[in-house]
Amino acid sequence: GAVVSQHPSRVICKSGTSVKIECRSLDFQATTMFWYRQFPKQSLMLMATSNEGSKATYEQGVEKDKFLINHASLTLSTLTVTSAHPEDSSFYICSARDRARVDEQYFGPGTRLTVT
Amino acid sequence: RKEVEQDPGPFNVPEGATVAFNCTYSNSASQSFFWYRQDCRKEPKLLMSVYSSGNEDGRFTAQLNRASQYISLLIRDSKLSDSATYLCVVNSRGSTLGRLYFGRGTQLTVWP
Repeated sequence: GAVVSQHPSRVICKSGTSVKIECRSLDFQATTMFWYRQFPKQSLMLMATSNEGSKATYEQGVEKDKFLINHASLTLSTLTVTSAHPEDSSFYICSARDRARVDEQYFGPGTRLTVT
Repeated sequence: RKEVEQDPGPFNVPEGATVAFNCTYSNSASQSFFWYRQDCRKEPKLLMSVYSSGNEDGRFTAQLNRASQYISLLIRDSKLSDSATYLCVVNSRGSTLGRLYFGRGTQLTVWP
């Protein structure tokens, strides 16, 4: 099956620093990638939709200047959490949609961010 | 109103039991429906798609009632390895093609 990787899998950073998370589709081309955030015992909440070569579309309440998304190629999207604060600590998961199979999305293994 | 509503549980059942999860969705224009499974601290993994005619995959049976906007998942002969959170997921084709809406998940624990 299709594979999506995320890096890093876990990161601990200090308040005020920026953290970049990479999402890669390893064996397919993904015109669209989605970034989710999940707090403990909560559901996945979509943060933004990232389309290759264009600006990301952010969900209501998600600050685009704080969560920078870049989707420069058909296999890579990055999410940068700028000036991280403890309340940004969460599980960040990306998913990628195969351009050849638009109804299927494949999830990365997630990145656990802890801001101290 | 949330796009997808699920009973969060938890459901605690013995091995071999049959358990059913329910889910409702609010957008009548929704087109695709799924059940995902999420283990603790892991990403969601697709368990099965849900089709209008109902579908079965081994011990798992999924059903969809479009008129009632209701989705169900039945697990027969529960195994210890079925312990996880089950997410009801709906794909609504609006302005963002392929956007998935997740329910909060229903937690299942199967005990020996």
